[in-house]
Amino acid sequence: GAVVSQHPSRVICKSGTSVKIECRSLDFQATTMFWYRQFPKQSLMLMATSNEGSKATYEQGVEKDKFLINHASLTLSTLTVTSAHPEDSSFYICSAGTDATDTQYFGPGTRLTVL
Amino acid sequence: AQSVTQLDSHVSVSEGTPVLLRCNYSSSYSPSLFWYVQHPNKGLQLLLKYTSAATLVKGINGFEAEFKKSETSFHLTKPSAHMSDAAEYFCVVTDYNTDKLIFGTGTRLQVFP
Repeated sequence: GAVVSQHPSRVICKSGTSVKIECRSLDFQATTMFWYRQFPKQSLMLMATSNEGSKATYEQGVEKDKFLINHASLTLSTLTVTSAHPEDSSFYICSAGTDATDTQYFGPGTRLTVL
Repeated sequence: AQSVTQLDSHVSVSEGTPVLLRCNYSSSYSPSLFWYVQHPNKGLQLLLKYTSAATLVKGINGFEAEFKKSETSFHLTKPSAHMSDAAEYFCVVTDYNTDKLIFGTGTRLQVFP
C-alpha cells in the first residue's frame, strides 16, 4: 500500500518550453501533496505544499509563477515548470500524505534536463 | 525549532559487517522521526518511523533504530550489511507546527565485497 507514482521519470526539453510532471497516489487518497527539488548529492528542498482543491503554499524563494502546482483531485497533483531554463534542471520528487498520519510517501522522482 | 544532524556524510563497510548511521535530533516536543533510503536516481523509501510507541523501532530490510531521549539520538543500525544496502540515507524529523519534513543532509553508505 501507499504507492506514489510520477510521470514522466525523465524528460529533456528545450529552453523556453514548459514541462508538466504528474504525481499520483495509486492506492490511497492524499489530502496533501508535497513537491521537492533535489540537486546532485544534496538533500531534498521543499518547494511547495498543496492541498486538494486549494492553492499551493510555496516555500520562500520559490517562484509560484514559474512552478505552477495544481492539486485537482485527492489522487493527482501536477507541477508545471514554465519557460524552463537550464538552471531548472534537477531531480523533482513528489510525496503524498493524509490527515491521519504525518508519514509522507514519496514518488520515484522525475529527472528534468533543460537544454 | 526541530532539526536533525547526520554526523557522517559517508560510511563505508564491508559486506556482512554491521552498519551504524548516526543521527541526532533537536526538538522541543516529542518528535516524529523517520529514516528514508534513496537509491541512485530513485525516490525515497520509508525504512522506519518512530512515534513514541516503542523506543526500538524495527524497519524493513533488517534495519532498526533506537530512540534515545537522553542522548537525543536516533541512530540507524543493521547487523549485517548487504551490497544492496548501498544508498543514501536520510534522517528526518517532522516540524511540530507545520507537519513539514525536515531532512538531514544525508549519509552515503558504501558496501564493499
